[in-house]
Amino acid sequence: RKEVEQDPGPFNVPEGATVAFNCTYSNSASQSFFWYRQDCRKEPKLLMSVYSSGNEDGRFTAQLNRASQYISLLIRDSKLSDSATYLCVVNPLTGGGNKLTFGTGTQLKVEL
Amino acid sequence: DGGITQSPKYLFRKEGQNVTLSCEQNLNHDAMYWYRQDPGQGLRLIYYSQIVNDFQKGDIAEGYSVSREKKESFPLTVTSAQKNPTAFYLCASSNRGRGDTEAFFGQGTRLTVV
Repeated sequence: RKEVEQDPGPFNVPEGATVAFNCTYSNSASQSFFWYRQDCRKEPKLLMSVYSSGNEDGRFTAQLNRASQYISLLIRDSKLSDSATYLCVVNPLTGGGNKLTFGTGTQLKVEL
Repeated sequence: DGGITQSPKYLFRKEGQNVTLSCEQNLNHDAMYWYRQDPGQGLRLIYYSQIVNDFQKGDIAEGYSVSREKKESFPLTVTSAQKNPTAFYLCASSNRGRGDTEAFFGQGTRLTVV
C-alpha cells in the first residue's frame, strides 16, 4: 500500500461548482498534513495546512479524519484559475525527524 | 528576501556523465529534501536531511548521492548509474519538529540526458 494515495483525476468541473478531493495515508502515527497546489511545469506551493479541527481559508476547506486516515480538500465556487494539480502531503515524523511524503496529485480542470 | 534557490534551471547532460544540481536556502531550515517528478507523475523522494552532516535515503535513492556540509546547502549528484535521469528535480526545505513543517520549494531543475 502506498504511503499517500490520491485519485489522479482529472476532475473536469464547470465554473462555480463545488469539488472535493480525498487523500488517504497509511501511517497512523502521521502528525502533519498539507495540501499543495502545483501549476503546470512549476514548483508546488503550499495551499493550506490541515489541522485536527479542520480549517477554512476563503473558498477552501481542509479536514482531517484520523480514524479513517484521510484528509480532504473542498473547493467552493470554483474559478478557472483553480485549474491545477492538488498534492496531498503527509509528514509521518519518522524517528523524530521529517519525511514529507507526497501523493501523486489530483488534477482539476475548471471549465466555462 | 528569504527563499530557496536551485540552479541551473535547465541542464543538459551527455549519457554516462555525472552532474551536480545546486540547492541553497536562507530560511534557516534544518531539514532539506530532494524530489524527482516525471511528466504526469507525483513527487518521489530521493534523499532528505534533518541536520548538517546527516542524510537519509528516500524511496528512489539509487543512482544519486548528496552531501550536507552546510545548513544552507544540499547538492544532489546524479551519477551515471542512474538509468533514467531525465526528469524535473525539486529541492525543498522545512523546519523540523511537530509544527510548521510545511516545505518551501525551489523553482526546480529540468535535467535532460542527450
